[in-house]
Amino acid sequence: SQTIHQWPATLVQPVGSPLSLECTVEGTSNPNLYWYRQAAGRGLQLLFYSVGIGQISSEVPQNLSASRPQDRQFILSSKKLLLSDSGFYLCAWSVRREETQYFGPGTRLLVL
Amino acid sequence: GQNIDQPTEMTATEGAIVQINCTYQTSGFNGLFWYQQHAGEAPTFLSYNVLDGLEEKGRFSSFLSRSKGYSYLLLKELQMKDSASYLCAVTYDYKLSFGAGTTVTVRA
Repeated sequence: SQTIHQWPATLVQPVGSPLSLECTVEGTSNPNLYWYRQAAGRGLQLLFYSVGIGQISSEVPQNLSASRPQDRQFILSSKKLLLSDSGFYLCAWSVRREETQYFGPGTRLLVL
Repeated sequence: GQNIDQPTEMTATEGAIVQINCTYQTSGFNGLFWYQQHAGEAPTFLSYNVLDGLEEKGRFSSFLSRSKGYSYLLLKELQMKDSASYLCAVTYDYKLSFGAGTTVTVRA
């Protein structure tokens, strides 16, 4: 069966510091991968998606970036965090682009 | 763009039925998902509707009308564990756009 991992689970970072969140998927090959952010009391906002290694599509212009160095690894990064980057970051995968997305446990980021 | 509307909150009694409505306006519509999200946790998949009609899965059912841009999630025989946020999401251009979610509170 497929599983998706995210780490860290919780992170507290100062404004201006860098960020690296990691997501890995097990039990499947060539998944479509997604990064979402959920602000408190808000819906999920799609940040990036990837259909293959090195292929990244950005949905919202911001100070975040994503990379996919391996087939089942998806990384979300920032060079300098802003207060507005605080939120719940969720990674998801799907077999094909139009099919069900399954979410990882998420990383709760607080920028102070 | 995508516009998805669902009520912010609903309250119901244990054992009752609750219907959560979702209306949407989107281009390139492929289908509609419902997810359940407990506080502090990740969303979990409940249902996916592509064609018009009702899909039933145990206590949960989901309905879609493509011509009306309308869906609902029906929760029957409510249990305390059903207290959660329910997210409506539409697929467009092979991506998902989520509504803000409906928080359902089940009272004893």
